[in-house]
Order: sequence, then structure tokens, then C-alpha cells
Amino acid sequence: DIQMTQSPSSLSASVGDRVTITCQASQDISTYLNWYQQKPGKAPKLLIYDASNLKTGVPSRFSGSGSGTDFTFTISSLQPEDIATYYCQQYVNLPLTFGGGTKVEIK
Amino acid sequence: QVQLVQSGAEVKKPGSSVKVSCKASGGTFSTYAMNWVRQAPGQGLEWMGAIIPIYGAPNYAQRFQDRVTITTDESTTTAYMELSSLRSEDTAIYYCASYIHYDSSGFHPRAFDNWGLGTLVTVSS
Repeated sequence: DIQMTQSPSSLSASVGDRVTITCQASQDISTYLNWYQQKPGKAPKLLIYDASNLKTGVPSRFSGSGSGTDFTFTISSLQPEDIATYYCQQYVNLPLTFGGGTKVEIK
Repeated sequence: QVQLVQSGAEVKKPGSSVKVSCKASGGTFSTYAMNWVRQAPGQGLEWMGAIIPIYGAPNYAQRFQDRVTITTDESTTTAYMELSSLRSEDTAIYYCASYIHYDSSGFHPRAFDNWGLGTLVTVSS
């Protein structure tokens, strides 16, 4: 199975800050990577697919980059409504696997 | 855009089975990949398996291979996930999640762009 390692596991930032989350795959996954946002008590929501493609309707302050084994998810200007846990997910191989999540809080 | 409506919360005894349903509306059911993802309390997301109705044969994560059965009923556009030999560690929210497998645009990324609200399964004696 492909292991997905996210860091940090949690972070605290101020409104307006730039926030960066990394995701590392245990083997080359090309750009077969998605990012999700999960707010407390809610189902996850797809934000980015294929490493860097923003899903329609998702605010442009969210972005993703990377290929191979190293990926980055960025919120360019943190907003109060962005408080959530973010997960990466690979889909090059079954089983589909997720990173452990990064909990983003407001300082 | 498909909407996924899951069955209600369940409380089960250890050793028993649970069957969770997920009714899809909108879209062409047979072309969707219907997945099951679970989340234990305070934990991350774990993919259990999936089925694409037009192919029929499900794929399962190895760790659930001998306990999970995923099926679909195309007549009611409903997917099912049955988990047997339940233990306390199976207490979790079980989500169905889907993506379009293939349409006129070709194959789509395995990105879960539709999710049910989740079904809480509690395993307790």
C-alpha cells in the first residue's frame, strides 16, 4: 500500500496568513493526488484534484502543487471559515489511501 | 451532480453484522464508482472498497477483504456496504463517496466529489 505522510498534523495561524501543508507519498504517484477539507461534524469536501486542479466553485485562495512523491497544499490568505482538517489522498493504486490529516486552527 | 442519502445510525453487538445503504439520485448510476470510506472517532479517513455498477466486481482494501461486502442495486440506484464480525474498533462513521468513473469526456480522476452525510455505526456489548 502507498503510505501518505502529511505534515504538520496541526497548525495555528492568524487570519490572512499563508498556510502550507505538505504531503509525501511512499512511492511515485505522478500527480494522482487529491485534497479534501473536512469541517467538524461534516463529510469531507473535495477541493483539489490531480494535484493542482481546483474544483469548480472552490475559492481561489486554495491551491495545490507537486508531482512524484512531494506535494503542497496552500491557503494563500487564511479565512475564519477555513478552520477544518485537510487530507491528501492518492489514487494511482488501490487501495486508495489518505494522509493522516492536518488540523488548521485560528491563532 | 449526484446526491447520496445514507441509512440511519446503527448500534450493533460484537460479532454481528451491519449493512449500510447509500441511495444515489441524479447522474447515471451505472457510470459512478461507489466507494465506502470510514472514520473512527477522532481519527482520519480510511478507504474500505468500491464498486462500479457497469463492471460489477468490487475492489476491497486488504484489511477488510474477508469481512466486507459491497454491492449495488441498479434498479433502486442504491449501494450497500455490509461489514461482518463486528468488533469495538469498527465503531466509526461510514461514508459513501462517489465519482464519475467514465462518461463522454473519458475516464475521470478517482476524486470523491460527492459524499453522503455518513452513518454512525456503534459496536458495543
